Amino acid sequence: DGGITQSPKYLFRKEGQNVTLSCEQNLNHDAMYWYRQDPGQGLRLIYYSQIVNDFQKGDIAEGYSVSREKKESFPLTVTSAQKNPTAFYLCACTGLTEQFFGPGTRLTVL
Amino acid sequence: QQQVKQSPQSLIVQKGGISIINCAYENTAFDYFPWYQQFPGKGPALLIAIRPDVSEKKEGRFTISFNKSAKQFSLHIMDSQPGDSATYFCAGGSGQNFVFGPGTRLSVLP
Repeated sequence: DGGITQSPKYLFRKEGQNVTLSCEQNLNHDAMYWYRQDPGQGLRLIYYSQIVNDFQKGDIAEGYSVSREKKESFPLTVTSAQKNPTAFYLCACTGLTEQFFGPGTRLTVL
Repeated sequence: QQQVKQSPQSLIVQKGGISIINCAYENTAFDYFPWYQQFPGKGPALLIAIRPDVSEKKEGRFTISFNKSAKQFSLHIMDSQPGDSATYFCAGGSGQNFVFGPGTRLSVLP
């Protein structure tokens, strides 16, 4: 069953904590992305990676970090420096043209 | 980053009616224009897409109309159903880079 998965589905974080969101894909796609979605708003690009061991900042990278040690994995860490992290986080990957999205992780800061 | 504009922000349509969502882009390097459908709490799913060498593409009840000279494209949903109630995003893509519109929340009344 090919696709892109994210875990956990829901995540709660206390202020001052770092948390890591998982994204895995078995589509053999080179490019992977992280987006943030706030209620009633569109998708804002956090980070993207076009190849293993390489990634670039998107429009709202401050307070986030990523790694790309394996082609199939692109975890996102939300650090304590992110002042307003409560949001819906979406991971995506792209083959030749189409971009496929994971089911998302809803992060809530308590 | 050049924008993709989308309108309306929200749309209410009676069952059986036609839903029309419009998008406009600025970046002439875009060569791929997908539409995504997103249900609450889920990741966006690719609905239909078009390339600029085609003026129209139809898949079932969903049609994309594309006007290259005006740099505009639109999604038409024929015979709209309550199950079509979702948020719709248009996007412009070039290679592995995508820019998304802000989304349109569609409600189809029974």
